[in-house]
Amino acid sequence: DTEVTQTPKHLVMGMTNKKSLKCEQHMGHRAMYWYKQKAKKPPELMFVYSYEKLSINESVPSRFSPECPNSSLLNLHLHALQPEDSALYLCASSQDIRSGTRGETQYFGPGTRLLVL
Amino acid sequence: AQSVTQLDSHVSVSEGTPVLLRCNYSSSYSPSLFWYVQHPNKGLQLLLKYTSAATLVKGINGFEAEFKKSETSFHLTKPSAHMSDAAEYFCVVSDQGGRRALTFGSGTRLQVQP
Repeated sequence: DTEVTQTPKHLVMGMTNKKSLKCEQHMGHRAMYWYKQKAKKPPELMFVYSYEKLSINESVPSRFSPECPNSSLLNLHLHALQPEDSALYLCASSQDIRSGTRGETQYFGPGTRLLVL
Repeated sequence: AQSVTQLDSHVSVSEGTPVLLRCNYSSSYSPSLFWYVQHPNKGLQLLLKYTSAATLVKGINGFEAEFKKSETSFHLTKPSAHMSDAAEYFCVVSDQGGRRALTFGSGTRLQVQP
C-alpha cells in the first residue's frame, strides 16, 4: 500500500479563520513533507519532518504552522492566511531520509485545495 | 546545485502515436531521477525512477525513460498514447548530497487528441 491520505479535499476560509490540514500514511515512513502548488506550477517544498522532528523549513511564513504528532500523522495549521495563499497543498512521505537510501521515493497524497477569501 | 529543465511546456499527440517528453538535468552528484504524473485536480503519481541500476527504466502504464549521462538527459517515452495519458508530467531530480530535497522541472502538459 503506497497511499497517503489528506483531508479535507477542499477548504474555503476567510483571512481571520483558523483551520488545519491533515495528512496520514501507514507505510511506516519516517519522513513527511508539505508542499504548496500554485496553478500551472510545480510543487514547492514548505516543510520536512524526519522522525517527528522538523528538519527543514523553507522560510515559510509563521501563519503556516506544521505539526507531527506521531510517525503516521502530519498536520498543517493555518491562521490569518492571505488570498495569495490559495493553492493546492500536497503532503508526501518517504521511507527515511537519514538512512542514505539511494533515490528515496516520495509518495504524494491527493492534496487539499485551499481557497482564502 | 541541481536543476531540471523540461524542454517543452506543452506536447500534443494523437491517440495511438508515440509520446516523447524531454528532460535535461544538472547535478553536482550522481543523481536519482524521477518522472511523476499529475492528472487534473489530483496529487502526483510516481511513473518511474532511475537510481543507477539500469539506464533504461520501465515504469507504469507503458512508460519508460532512458538515462543518458553524456547528454545529461532523462527523456520519457511511450510507444502509443492513450487518451487517459493526458496530464501534467514532472521530471524530478533528487541529489545524493545535501538535503536530498526534490528539484522539480516546470512541467510538460501532454494533450492527447482523438
